[in-house]
Amino acid sequence: DSGVTQTPKHLITATGQRVTLRCSPRSGDLSVYWYQQSLDQGLQFLIQYYNGEERAKGNILERFSAQQFPDLHSELNLSSLELGDSALYFCASSPGGFGDEQYFGPGTRLTVT
Amino acid sequence: GQQLNQSPQSMFIQEGEDVSMNCTSSSIFNTWLWYKQDPGEGPVLLIALYKAGELTSNGRLTAQFGITRKDSFLNISASIPSDVGIYFCAGQNAGNMLTFGGGTRLMVKP
Repeated sequence: DSGVTQTPKHLITATGQRVTLRCSPRSGDLSVYWYQQSLDQGLQFLIQYYNGEERAKGNILERFSAQQFPDLHSELNLSSLELGDSALYFCASSPGGFGDEQYFGPGTRLTVT
Repeated sequence: GQQLNQSPQSMFIQEGEDVSMNCTSSSIFNTWLWYKQDPGEGPVLLIALYKAGELTSNGRLTAQFGITRKDSFLNISASIPSDVGIYFCAGQNAGNMLTFGGGTRLMVKP
């Protein structure tokens, strides 16, 4: 158990809908990262937050957004969902903001039908 | 998106055999990491490497950070059935984001 928790474990929704994925980092970690894992693209970095502020952005679609709250938990919002958004979404956390080892949560499996 | 070149893509070995997999990149990384992912789970950190040329062990696992900073390898000695899973390399720079390899799927025959 990495100490990173994610909810829900599974999510099934229809195209065009909007969903919110939630992540709680390990105790004491200030950084939260979101990754998408799909069969064709592998594991791809989406976005990082450090202590409530956006720190780095990867290949995140404009339909996706994230935030980190004062209690350091984070949410990833996915809107106008398409079939191709079906994937595993992982949250990871690390103590600081630079070069730290990242510990991954169990993931949320999103299926868009 | 950019990925590291990880090989082999899959391996089917006999229990007790040694395993070797590697990762190469066209870019330099400051840190190389190796993760293992079991079905339905998130990647679990196995080994982190911080200096070019560094050789680090974690039990039966040994990993090295290539001298050019563009490659890394992972060896598993005396494989056992619970080594089954997908192994990922990842490169990291000061920007923090991890760039992952495509994974090596390891299957072990008892």
